[in-house]
Formats: sequence, structure tokens, C-alpha cells
Amino acid sequence: EDQVTQSPEALRLQEGESSSLNCSYTVSGLRGLFWYRQDPGKGPEFLFTLYSAGEEKEKERLKATLTKKESFLHITAPKPEDSATYLCAVLETDKLIFGTGTRLQVFP
Amino acid sequence: SQTIHQWPATLVQPVGSPLSLECTVEGTSNPNLYWYRQAAGRGLQLLFYSVGIGQISSEVPQNLSASRPQDRQFILSSKKLLLSDSGFYLCAWSRGGQGAGANVLTFGAGSRLTVL
Repeated sequence: EDQVTQSPEALRLQEGESSSLNCSYTVSGLRGLFWYRQDPGKGPEFLFTLYSAGEEKEKERLKATLTKKESFLHITAPKPEDSATYLCAVLETDKLIFGTGTRLQVFP
Repeated sequence: SQTIHQWPATLVQPVGSPLSLECTVEGTSNPNLYWYRQAAGRGLQLLFYSVGIGQISSEVPQNLSASRPQDRQFILSSKKLLLSDSGFYLCAWSRGGQGAGANVLTFGAGSRLTVL
């Protein structure tokens, strides 16, 4: 069965403490991998799309990378405003399959 | 620019009552439209998607239904709510076709439904 697994489920960081979030997937025909940020009580907000292994995308303190089996969202020197749930999703044929997310808390 | 509106933001309904959640998109034409449900500890579950007026695909068999009466309007309904229907419902749209930007979902603010 096609599956998207995110780890860890929750992550607590001190402000400035860099770390990485993982998204591993098992789909038969990956057509794209998407990262979203979701604040409590709100809809997810699009961050990145990655299409092929080796591709990287950056936005401010976030950098997403993709291999054939997984994607990482690297957070460099995070700030409290980076606190949110980060969701990844894979596009398999014509449907997006979402993971359950990593809840990130950054403390000052 | 494109915007997506979803309402109501919150509602509390008794078991067995009907439901209607509405979503409209502005600033684009012929969007792909989606209804997702997000339950605690679970990923976003695709309920329905539509690629055009009157074209609805159902992903999960249940007591919910969807309709698309106009190009940029998507409605989620139920005749009789169950306790298990409680959750956070999200409407989303994407540009159809291929190329950069296709399949990128833009979500509404969500509707929190509590069934008692």
C-alpha cells in the first residue's frame, strides 16, 4: 500500500538549534513531493515542490531535499515563528497522499 | 490574485442533523476543487475532488456528498451527521493541466465541525 511516513511526530528545538524533518515514502510512481506548513486551526500553506532525486529548494531558513526514498526539510537557526506542523505529501498518479506531519515547537 | 473562501469556520451540530459546508474560489477559472478531512493524529484524508461542473469523484464511501453547482463553488453535504463526522474540513483548489504549479493545492482556512 502506498504510504507516506513523517518523523519525528513532534520536535522541540531551542531557538537557533538547527535540525531536520524526515518524510519517507513508498509509492510506485512519484510525480512530485510537496511540503506544507500548517499553523493551528488554519489550512496548510504551500512551501515547496520537488520533482526528482537530487533536487533542492530553499526558502529563508528552510531547505528541502529529495532522494529516491525520502525527503528532508532542514531548518537552519530556527526562530519561534517557525513553530508549526510541517506536512509532506506525494503525488502518485493524480492524487496527493499526505503524511501525518511533524509538529515543531521552537522555544526562545 | 486567487483567493479561496470557506464557511462556516466552526459549527456544532447534533447527531442526525444535516450539514452544508461551502467553498468558493475567486480569481481563476475551471479550477480543480477538493474536500479534505483532517482528524487528530491522522493525515489529510481526501474526501472528494472535482475537475469540472457536475464532475465529482468520491474517495471515501460514507454519508457525505459533494456538489459543484458552479465553476468555482464546491459544497460538502450530509443528510444525517454521525459522531464520526467530527473533524476539521478543508477545501482546496489547484490549477489543472500540467507544468509548474499544477497539483499545488491552495487551502481554505478550514471548517471545524463538532457532532454531539
